[in-house]
Amino acid sequence: DAGVIQSPRHEVTEMGQEVTLRCKPISGHDYLFWYRQTMMRGLELLIYFNNNVPIDDSGMPEDRFSAKMPNASFSTLKIQPSEPRDSAVYFCASSLGTGYVNEQFFGPGTRLTVL
Amino acid sequence: GESVGLHLPTLSVQEGDNSIINCAYSNSASDYFIWYKQESGKGPQFIIDIRSNMDKRQGQRVTVLLNKTVKHLSLQIAATQPGDSAVYFCAETYNQAGTALIFGKGTTLSVSS
Repeated sequence: DAGVIQSPRHEVTEMGQEVTLRCKPISGHDYLFWYRQTMMRGLELLIYFNNNVPIDDSGMPEDRFSAKMPNASFSTLKIQPSEPRDSAVYFCASSLGTGYVNEQFFGPGTRLTVL
Repeated sequence: GESVGLHLPTLSVQEGDNSIINCAYSNSASDYFIWYKQESGKGPQFIIDIRSNMDKRQGQRVTVLLNKTVKHLSLQIAATQPGDSAVYFCAETYNQAGTALIFGKGTTLSVSS
C-alpha cells in the first residue's frame, strides 16, 4: 500500500498566483481530510469529505480556498489568488470510517511558500 | 471553547527513561482522543487512541491516560528510544461523528543516547 500520496511535495509561487494541491487517498478509504500546519496555529482542519461529498468546510479560511473531490481516488485543494500568509505545510489524510473514525493516515504534505 | 493544548512545548529525556507527555483539553463534551507522532518532514502518524468511557489504554511501549475530571490526557512512553524523537500531538473530536479532530500545538520530544 503506497499510503496517501500528495503532490507536489514543494511549491514556491508568487503572490496572486493560483496554486493547486493534489491528493490521492488510500484505496477503499471513504473519508478524506485537508489540514494546514503552521508554527503559529499548529495543525488545523480545513475541510473533510465523506464518499466524495464535502461534509464540513468550516475550517476553510476564506473564499480564496476551495476543495473538490471528483472521485474516490482524487482530491484537490486550490488557492486563488495565493497570499504570503498562505505559506504552510498542507496535509491530506484519509480514513476508513465506521462509526468513530479512528486512524487517519496522513500524506507527506505539500510545503507551500508564497513569495 | 474547543481547544486542545499541551503543558510543555519541549521534553528532553535520556535513552531508556520513561517519557510522559501531557495534554489539557477544554471541551468537556469531547469523547474521543488520539495521540499522533510527527517526525521531521513527515505527516502525523497515529499512535494510540482512547474513548471517554475509558481511563487507560495500553499499546506497545505506550500508555494513554485520561482524566475527565480535570480534562487531562497523557501519553507515557516506556524505555524511550532515539527513534521516539518527534513532535507529539494530542487531538480531540469536536463533532458527534468523531471524524474531525482538533489538534494541540505539540510537544517536541528529544531523546539523547
